[in-house]
Amino acid sequence: EIVMTQSPATLSVSPGERATLSCRASQSVSNNLAWYQQRPGQAPRLLVYGASTRATGIPARFSGSGSGTEFTLTISSLQSEDFAVYYCQQYNDWPSWTFGQGTKVEIK
Amino acid sequence: QLQLQESGPGLVKPSETLSLSCTVSGGSISRSSYYWGWIRQPPGKGLEWIGSIYYTGTAYYNPPLKRRVTISVDTSKNQLSLTLTSVTAADTAVYYCARHSTSGSHFDYWGQGTLVTVSS
Repeated sequence: EIVMTQSPATLSVSPGERATLSCRASQSVSNNLAWYQQRPGQAPRLLVYGASTRATGIPARFSGSGSGTEFTLTISSLQSEDFAVYYCQQYNDWPSWTFGQGTKVEIK
Repeated sequence: QLQLQESGPGLVKPSETLSLSCTVSGGSISRSSYYWGWIRQPPGKGLEWIGSIYYTGTAYYNPPLKRRVTISVDTSKNQLSLTLTSVTAADTAVYYCARHSTSGSHFDYWGQGTLVTVSS
């Protein structure tokens, strides 16, 4: 099983500031990496797939990068609706997909 | 707009069987190029993929759960179902159904989720 490790567990950021979230895979997943946002009480929402492709309707302030084992999700200027938990997911290891444990982005 | 809706009992006794359904609307479950999956999330914890199925009935399961899980599809009802046997408190979670493509297995549409509590 590929283990996905996200850091930090909690990120405190002021509105308008930049947030950088990390995700590391225990072995290479190529670019088969997705990012999701989960607001309290809601289902996860797909933000990025293929490590860097924004999903339909996702604002340009969200960007993904990386390949292999190291990945980053950057939110360029945090809006109030961006405070949530973010998960990465690898889908390289078929059929044994795994998620990271999540990074909570909270208001500083 | 594609919508997914989970349904089923919110409370299951230990050692019994958990059964959930997911109804797909706004699109056909028989559309090629898509799988339909189940993911769960224990309260306050992260996400765990349970398994996925193609409309032909071909299913794949997460190895740690494979022994207890069955996923099926009913194309006439546009539904997929989840059965999990011999449940324990560790199976208490919000259960989501979601869609992913055959080419890239990210989940692009999700149901709202349903909480299942395992307790006597």
